[in-house]
Amino acid sequence: DTEVTQTPKHLVMGMTNKKSLKCEQHMGHRAMYWYKQKAKKPPELMFVYSYEKLSINESVPSRFSPECPNSSLLNLHLHALQPEDSALYLCASSRERGAGGVRGAFFGQGTRLTVV
Amino acid sequence: AQKVTQAQTEISVVEKEDVTLDCVYETRDTTYYLFWYKQPPSGELVFLIRRNSFDEQNEISGRYSWNFQKSTSSFNFTITASQVVDSAVYFCALKARASGGYNKLIFGAGTRLAVHP
Repeated sequence: DTEVTQTPKHLVMGMTNKKSLKCEQHMGHRAMYWYKQKAKKPPELMFVYSYEKLSINESVPSRFSPECPNSSLLNLHLHALQPEDSALYLCASSRERGAGGVRGAFFGQGTRLTVV
Repeated sequence: AQKVTQAQTEISVVEKEDVTLDCVYETRDTTYYLFWYKQPPSGELVFLIRRNSFDEQNEISGRYSWNFQKSTSSFNFTITASQVVDSAVYFCALKARASGGYNKLIFGAGTRLAVHP
């Protein structure tokens, strides 16, 4: 069982829709991340939250809006996306900020997003 | 520059063959960490190993082994007697400095391994 849970696993949305991706971990990790992974490409960092505060925004367009309501939850709000935003969105967490700990980070199974 | 290169895009082997996945890295840091992750079709990145820059001892875990050589900036991964369940995309990653004093994982392009019965 994965220790980072992401919902939904699959999402199809229109370009005018508003949707949210959710991520949850109960390992007591204080750093959480969003990655975007296009087909046949490596994951690319989007956002980093450390102690519920946004620490890194890798120049992500404003149509992606992250939120960290508490230390266990991480959301990614989506609005007015484009078809090229279709990708696997991975959430991850780590014991400390910046890929800390033995494993670097624990990853969820991701949400496969298709924008039509 | 901080960079990870996995030159092998795809590898195809027959079950029970040994296979080596190459990883070459670039970093200015004197202390750094390297990782290998496995990504099966389900999507989750599964941690395999972490190696510190100051520990060049090779490691073996069952059918998996890793060869870390600082002299050539390489951290190669070998699967002995491959099995169909080993079929996945394998990523090598470097823990690198990001903005604001934080670190992040920089991934190589990945190597897709297909093990055929």
